[in-house]
Amino acid sequence: DAGITQSPRYKITETGRQVTLMCHQTWSHSYMFWYRQDLGHGLRLIYYSAAADITDKGEVPDGYVVSRSKTENFPLTLESATRSQTSVYFCASSDQGADQPQHFGDGTRLSIL
Amino acid sequence: GESVGLHLPTLSVQEGDNSIINCAYSNSASDYFIWYKQESGKGPQFIIDIRSNMDKRQGQRVTVLLNKTVKHLSLQIAATQPGDSAVYFCAENPNDYKLSFGAGTTVTVRA
Repeated sequence: DAGITQSPRYKITETGRQVTLMCHQTWSHSYMFWYRQDLGHGLRLIYYSAAADITDKGEVPDGYVVSRSKTENFPLTLESATRSQTSVYFCASSDQGADQPQHFGDGTRLSIL
Repeated sequence: GESVGLHLPTLSVQEGDNSIINCAYSNSASDYFIWYKQESGKGPQFIIDIRSNMDKRQGQRVTVLLNKTVKHLSLQIAATQPGDSAVYFCAENPNDYKLSFGAGTTVTVRA
C-alpha cells in the first residue's frame, strides 16, 4: 500500500548508543522531514530534505544525523543517544516543500535509559 | 455549539454539536495554513488547508476560517462525532520549507 512507514515503532536503548530510525515513503515525494514531539514543545523540525542527496537543518538538529541516498528513504541517526533525546519521532513527506500538506507516519517512540 | 474566543488547550463538546477550535499564528508573512488531527498513538493526519488569498475554505464537515487582520485561524467541525475526539494542531508556513506548529487543542466529545 502507498504511504509512509516508520520503523521501529518502539525502541528502548541506553545512553551513548547509536540508534537509527527508518522512514520510507512510496509516493515519490520530493520533500521529507523529521520532527520530534515532546510535551510542552509540540512538533519541532529536526532535519528536512528537498531531494535525494540534499538535506538541511531544522530547529533542533544537534545530536542527529540524516542521509538521503534514495528519494524514498530518509533515515535519522542518533550517533550517541542522550536522555534528552527521549521523544516521539515523526517522519513526514510532501510533494513540494511546506506549502503543500505534509503527510506523517505513525511515529517511533524512543526511550533512552 | 461550543466556541472559544481564545486558544484553549482543551475543548469538551456534546456529540452532535458544532465545534470551533481557535488558533493564533505569529508570522504575518505566512501564506499557507493547515490543520491536523492527531489520535492517540498515531501521526498527525491532514484535515484541511488554506492559503492567504482566501478567508474561508470548506471540506467535508469542516470549515477553516482565516482572519489575516488579527492573525487568527479557526477550524469548525459540524455535527461533532465521537471519532472527532483527538488533538488538533494548526500550522503556519513562515518560509518555503518550514511548518510551525501550534500547541494543540484536545477535543473530547461527550456522548
